[in-house]
Amino acid sequence: DIVMTQSPESLAVSLGERATVNCRSSQSVLNSSNNKNYLAWYQQKPGQPPRLLISWASTRESGAPDRFSGSGSGTDFTLTINNLQAEDVAVYSCQQYYSFPYSFGQGTKLEIK
Amino acid sequence: QVQLMQSGAEVKKPGSSVRVSCQASGGTLSTFAISWLRQAPGQGLEWMGGIIPVLGSTKYAQKFQGRVTFSADASTSTAYMDLSSLRSEDTAMYYCAKTDRGFCTTTSCTPWDYFYIYMDVWGIGTRVTVSS
Repeated sequence: DIVMTQSPESLAVSLGERATVNCRSSQSVLNSSNNKNYLAWYQQKPGQPPRLLISWASTRESGAPDRFSGSGSGTDFTLTINNLQAEDVAVYSCQQYYSFPYSFGQGTKLEIK
Repeated sequence: QVQLMQSGAEVKKPGSSVRVSCQASGGTLSTFAISWLRQAPGQGLEWMGGIIPVLGSTKYAQKFQGRVTFSADASTSTAYMDLSSLRSEDTAMYYCAKTDRGFCTTTSCTPWDYFYIYMDVWGIGTRVTVSS
């Protein structure tokens, strides 16, 4: 099974600043046949289900603000939130869908400093 | 846009079973897979497995094999998760989530080979509490 590890567990960032969340997989999630990274990022606000933000490591979903971006390949990935807004307070989780069972990072809690 | 509506909260005794339902509105179950996931209080998300309703094909995470059963009723666009032999550690929020049928990149494709895809629509969750 692929193990997903996120860092940091929590972070506090000032409004308008940049937040960076890291995710590492125990094995590559890059499919060499189509050159796609099978990695998604989700945002989960308190009392709500997860919301898909980014798929294929860097494709922003419809409705996700453009201050959210994803990068990385293979085993190391990053979610970047520019110009942090108050509504971005949430837990962010990465997920691999390269192989079954799907697996998630433990989540990173983002707060306002 | 498909929405997933889940059944209400449950309180169960240890050793009993629970059924959670997930009904698709604004679409049918025919073109996607439904995953079941859970999230214990203060913990991360855990994928329990899934079902391709149109085929009745299921896939279970090893941890839950033998204790969980997924099923679906195409006539009502409803998927079900049955979890048995409940224990306190099963106290969690249970989610269903949709995965669209994608593409297969191997030469010989099984049904689940089309579902190496992200989960784009989630139910609101069903809280299951196991307590004596």
